[in-house]
Amino acid sequence: NAGVMQNPRHLVRRRGQEARLRCSPMKGHSHVYWYRQLPEEGLKFMVYLQKENIIDESGMPKERFSAEFPKEGPSILRIQQVVRGDSAAYFCASSPQGENEQFFGPGTRLTVL
Amino acid sequence: AQSVTQLDSQVPVFEEAPVELRCNYSSSVSVYLFWYVQYPNQGLQLLLKYLSGSTLVKGINGFEAEFNKSQTSFHLRKPSVHISDTAEYFCAATGSKLSFGAGTTVTVRA
Repeated sequence: NAGVMQNPRHLVRRRGQEARLRCSPMKGHSHVYWYRQLPEEGLKFMVYLQKENIIDESGMPKERFSAEFPKEGPSILRIQQVVRGDSAAYFCASSPQGENEQFFGPGTRLTVL
Repeated sequence: AQSVTQLDSQVPVFEEAPVELRCNYSSSVSVYLFWYVQYPNQGLQLLLKYLSGSTLVKGINGFEAEFNKSQTSFHLRKPSVHISDTAEYFCAATGSKLSFGAGTTVTVRA
């Protein structure tokens, strides 16, 4: 059973471009979570999704950030018009329905030039 | 909502010495507690978790933690560390969503 997959592992964007981060949960997991880790800081919750539904987006910045988890395919975290402050590691986690333990992917390290 | 405080940002320790990483949480409802480890440039790996039952929880790699409800603490311990334990350690608590502490960097020296 493959773990949580994230791609790309490293992403470089120039200011103003769009960044798309993908997350494939573990097989059988229907819950996906996105976290952001800024340099020298812990992980901050961004958004919690189930298939085709956003359950909790209280940690998402109000502008430029969006997330989806379609019926088919990976979950996508999209950042439009990136700025240097968006440079961070973005981690995805998944869990089976009704479980509290989350399994983390290896992360995508976004660098905005 | 929970908040998690890790009291030490950096913990240097010599190989084969014991280590304790402190974690306190605040919550008005039942809480589940976790410790994760992050090796350089990698994702988070679960060390151990407390959901219910025995307050002393044993995890992987020789780590253990004790849930203390009266002190709202969940400190992580290992009696004898190895060089390979050098990593960042995160305490986390969840009710409806996972809240992380700021992390503790453990550096093990020979």
